[in-house]
Amino acid sequence: DIQMTQSPSSLSASVGDRVTITCRASQSISSYLNWYQQKPGKAPKLLIYAASSLQSGVPSRFSGSGSGTDFTLTISSLQPEDFATYYCQQSYSTLPITFGQGTRLEIK
Amino acid sequence: QLQLQESGPGLVKPSETLSLTCTVSGGSISSSSYYWGWIRQPPGKGLEWIGSIYYSGSTYYNPSLKSRVTISVDTSKNQFSLKLSSVTAADTAVYYCARRGDSVDYWGQGTLVTVSS
Repeated sequence: DIQMTQSPSSLSASVGDRVTITCRASQSISSYLNWYQQKPGKAPKLLIYAASSLQSGVPSRFSGSGSGTDFTLTISSLQPEDFATYYCQQSYSTLPITFGQGTRLEIK
Repeated sequence: QLQLQESGPGLVKPSETLSLTCTVSGGSISSSSYYWGWIRQPPGKGLEWIGSIYYSGSTYYNPSLKSRVTISVDTSKNQFSLKLSSVTAADTAVYYCARRGDSVDYWGQGTLVTVSS
């Protein structure tokens, strides 16, 4: 299995802050990396696909970068609705598809 | 707008088989571009891919669950289903059905399945 490791596991930040979450793959996955946002009691929502492409309807303050093994999700200016848990997911290998352990973004 | 909806029992006894169905509306499950899959999330924990199926019936299972999982598709009803056998308390989770291309772009709302006697 391709292991996905996110850092940090949790993060406290304030509205207006710039935040970066990192995801590292245990082997090269090219750009087959997606980012999701999950709020309590809700299904995950796709934010970024193919490492850097913004899903339709997602605010432009979200951006993704990286390729190979190292990836980042950046929120340029945190809004109150952005406090949630974020997951990365690789789709390079489908046996199995794997997710990072999640990064919980909390209000400072 | 594509919608997915899980249905099935919310309580399953240990050693029995968990059975869930996902009904797809607003689009065809026979789309050639996508797989249809199941993902689960134990309470307070992260996401685990269970497996996926193509409309033709080709399946891909997580090796960690493969011996207990069966995913099937019924194109006439625009549905796909999950069966997980010999369940234990460790299988207690919210189960999501989803559409997968290179990303998972549509999710059901999720259904909590508790394994308990």
